[in-house]
Amino acid sequence: SAVISQKPSRDICQRGTSLTIQCQVDSQVTMMFWYRQQPGQSLTLIATANQGSEATYESGFVIDKFPISRPNLTFSTLTVSNMSPEDSSIYLCSVETSGSYFETDTQYFGPGTRLTVL
Amino acid sequence: AQKVTQAQTEISVVEKEDVTLDCVYETRDTTYYLFWYKQPPSGELVFLIRRNSFDEQNEISGRYSWNFQKSTSSFNFTITASQVVDSAVYFCALSVTQGGSEKLVFGKGTKLTVNP
Repeated sequence: SAVISQKPSRDICQRGTSLTIQCQVDSQVTMMFWYRQQPGQSLTLIATANQGSEATYESGFVIDKFPISRPNLTFSTLTVSNMSPEDSSIYLCSVETSGSYFETDTQYFGPGTRLTVL
Repeated sequence: AQKVTQAQTEISVVEKEDVTLDCVYETRDTTYYLFWYKQPPSGELVFLIRRNSFDEQNEISGRYSWNFQKSTSSFNFTITASQVVDSAVYFCALSVTQGGSEKLVFGKGTKLTVNP
């Protein structure tokens, strides 16, 4: 499996500011994903980030609020812009790796970034 | 609709008890994959298993076992002789195909507490 790191691991931010979360993988991967997990809730996919193309956002998430960069095959960033207390969540990146079954891979997750917005 | 239902919100057991976590799914895909992930209090999501829709054989890995039944659209997870370290939130997930790409749809999770 891939080794995935995220920075920062946690942060407390003021309303109206922005935070950029970094996701680093120890091997080259094609697909990276960003998820949000609100307190006590399940995971919701924000967007899919493929290297060399624009990120694909899920319904309810927009690029102005959550801009994503994917400059190479081992790195991605997610920015949470103009934050409000409702953005307090765990943000997780995941990568898709090849498994023993054809066509469908397994997603492995980073340790997450715990964001609190005051 | 393509979704995953984990009806058990929270389960509490005493150490050494066996416990089964339920997962029921809905999908229109004929080929799909099911997953279980564990999220301990530290927050990271740990991959446990992936199951192909064509493979209904039960899987056993140490104290963990999984029962996949297409007839009831269920993919249940049993922990035998539970331990305190098993305390975590467990998520069942389904891969779905949307817009030509594979995505994961998660259930709401089951919080398991194993008491000493």
